[in-house]
Amino acid sequence: EDQVTQSPEALRLQEGESSSLNCSYTVSGLRGLFWYRQDPGKGPEFLFTLYSAGEEKEKERLKATLTKKESFLHITAPKPEDSATYLCAARKTSYDKVIFGPGTSLSVIP
Amino acid sequence: GAVVSQHPSRVICKSGTSVKIECRSLDFQATTMFWYRQFPKQSLMLMATSNEGSKATYEQGVEKDKFLINHASLTLSTLTVTSAHPEDSSFYICSAKSIDRSHEQYFGPGTRLTVT
Repeated sequence: EDQVTQSPEALRLQEGESSSLNCSYTVSGLRGLFWYRQDPGKGPEFLFTLYSAGEEKEKERLKATLTKKESFLHITAPKPEDSATYLCAARKTSYDKVIFGPGTSLSVIP
Repeated sequence: GAVVSQHPSRVICKSGTSVKIECRSLDFQATTMFWYRQFPKQSLMLMATSNEGSKATYEQGVEKDKFLINHASLTLSTLTVTSAHPEDSSFYICSAKSIDRSHEQYFGPGTRLTVT
């Protein structure tokens, strides 16, 4: 069964304390691994798409990497405004539905 | 960037009434739109996939007669919650898949439905 899991469920960091969020997937024939950020009461905001193992993408303090079984979202020197829920999602084909993980709730304390 | 809007952002309705939620892709065409439901502190649950000009495909357990979806154009999809009940209260989010941006999926801001 196709599945996406994320860990940890919640993460609390001090401002400036770098860390990584994990996304593990069991989706055969992956055609896109997505990362989104969601703030409370709002829709998910697109961050990255990764397509093949070894691929990396960066945006400000965030860097996403992909292997054949998992993806990591690295947060370097986080700030309080990085606090949000980060969602990972996987798609089997270009025209298939996206399967979401449960998310990681990140809190960055000043 | 690709923008998806939803209207209304919040709606309160009485039990037994119907509510329509609109989802629009503002600066791109979307042949496929998705409707999700999200409960507090939970992830998104896909309800249905709609393709322009054809019937929506519903996920298992989602009542197609209760959640009516219409995808009339390449930029508009609507979700109508018919005969709403308090258990239908939730956060409804739509997304649109761009046909010209590597099939990436962009989300609307969500609609908070409260049924009293």
